[in-house]
Amino acid sequence: EPEVTQTPSHQVTQMGQEVILRCVPISNHLYFYWYRQILGQKVEFLVSFYNNEISEKSEIFDDQFSVERPDGSNFTLKIRSTKLEDSAMYFCASSEQEGPGYTFGSGTRLTVV
Amino acid sequence: QKEVEQDPGPLSVPEGAIVSLNCTYSNSAFQYFMWYRQYSRKGPELLMYTYSSGNKEDGRFTAQVDKSSKYISLFIRDSQPSDSATYLCAMSSPGGFKTIFGAGTRLFVKA
Repeated sequence: EPEVTQTPSHQVTQMGQEVILRCVPISNHLYFYWYRQILGQKVEFLVSFYNNEISEKSEIFDDQFSVERPDGSNFTLKIRSTKLEDSAMYFCASSEQEGPGYTFGSGTRLTVV
Repeated sequence: QKEVEQDPGPLSVPEGAIVSLNCTYSNSAFQYFMWYRQYSRKGPELLMYTYSSGNKEDGRFTAQVDKSSKYISLFIRDSQPSDSATYLCAMSSPGGFKTIFGAGTRLFVKA
């Protein structure tokens, strides 16, 4: 079964450093998403991406965050200057069409120290 | 009032029991209603979704939506220990790209 692949599975970084989280969505999917889940809290929407541009973003997704699809297979989330409160599981997801029913990756656990 | 409310549990049932999981919501614009299952340190996995009101059945799982009450349910029949996980309700609006998740209910099915 096709799956969304995320790397690394766990990343530890120092506060103030830049991190890039990587995702390979399912190959025929056109819509891409990033969500995050702080330990013990809800899964929260960060951003959606379609046709090489951001289609919607949440208030969490401030100027410190950016997304990119650098080639035909990867989808990345960059955090420019990490803060302690950025520590969370970051999930990439993709879907073939607009609407419900994403396929999520297994996540990258980001720990900011 | 929170957009989506879900009792975090935990809910512990014996094997073979019928499980009922529920969420309430406040946003009338929601039209898609989803249930995801999440195992520890894994991404959410879509179980099923419904559009607007009504019931949908898939094997041992039945999803119900009551838009007049802003209330959705997931029923699991003949529950198995492998059903032990966190169940997340989620909702979205047509034309919108984001999905709003509930807090998740932790379910334990004891053998």
